[in-house]
Amino acid sequence: EDQVTQSPEALRLQEGESSSLNCSYTVSGLRGLFWYRQDPGKGPEFLFTLYSAGEEKEKERLKATLTKKESFLHITAPKPEDSATYLCAVQAGSSYKLIFGSGTRLLVRP
Amino acid sequence: EAGVVQSPRYKIIEKKQPVAFWCNPISGHNTLYWYLQNLGQGPELLIRYENEEAVDDSQLPKDRFSAERLKGVDSTLKIQPAELGDSAVYLCASSLEGRPADTQYFGPGTRLTVL
Repeated sequence: EDQVTQSPEALRLQEGESSSLNCSYTVSGLRGLFWYRQDPGKGPEFLFTLYSAGEEKEKERLKATLTKKESFLHITAPKPEDSATYLCAVQAGSSYKLIFGSGTRLLVRP
Repeated sequence: EAGVVQSPRYKIIEKKQPVAFWCNPISGHNTLYWYLQNLGQGPELLIRYENEEAVDDSQLPKDRFSAERLKGVDSTLKIQPAELGDSAVYLCASSLEGRPADTQYFGPGTRLTVL
């Protein structure tokens, strides 16, 4: 059964304290791995798509990487406005649906 | 460019009452999805439309849930009758063509509370 596990469930950082969020997946035939950001009361906001192991993508203070078993979202020198829930999702095989993890709640304190 | 639009944003009803949610996807997007998100969890797919055709409704509880996408543009998701366990956020998403690994863009969601 396709499965996505995110860790940690919650993370508190001081402003400027870099860290990484983990997304482990077990799927047959990965088609894409997606990272979304979700603020309270809003829908998920698309950040990145990664398609194959070794791929990396960056956007401002965020960098996503992908291996055959997991993905990392690295946050460099975070700011309070980076506080949100970060969701990881995969699409596998011929299925079109996104299989989401439960997310990591990030809080960055000034 | 306008994103995915959903209404209402919030809905409070009593159990056994009917409720409907509306979604207008990004212009030009042929594929539309309805997801359910429980508190502290990631979204789960309910139904996927390619134009006006429901091509994947295997996760939709058909005894009380129904959906339609007339003319292949906006869509309505209905629950009748609502149960206490239906309290959740209902998210609509759209993608350009629905190919595997196409990016899905989400609307703000409708938060349903069933009393």
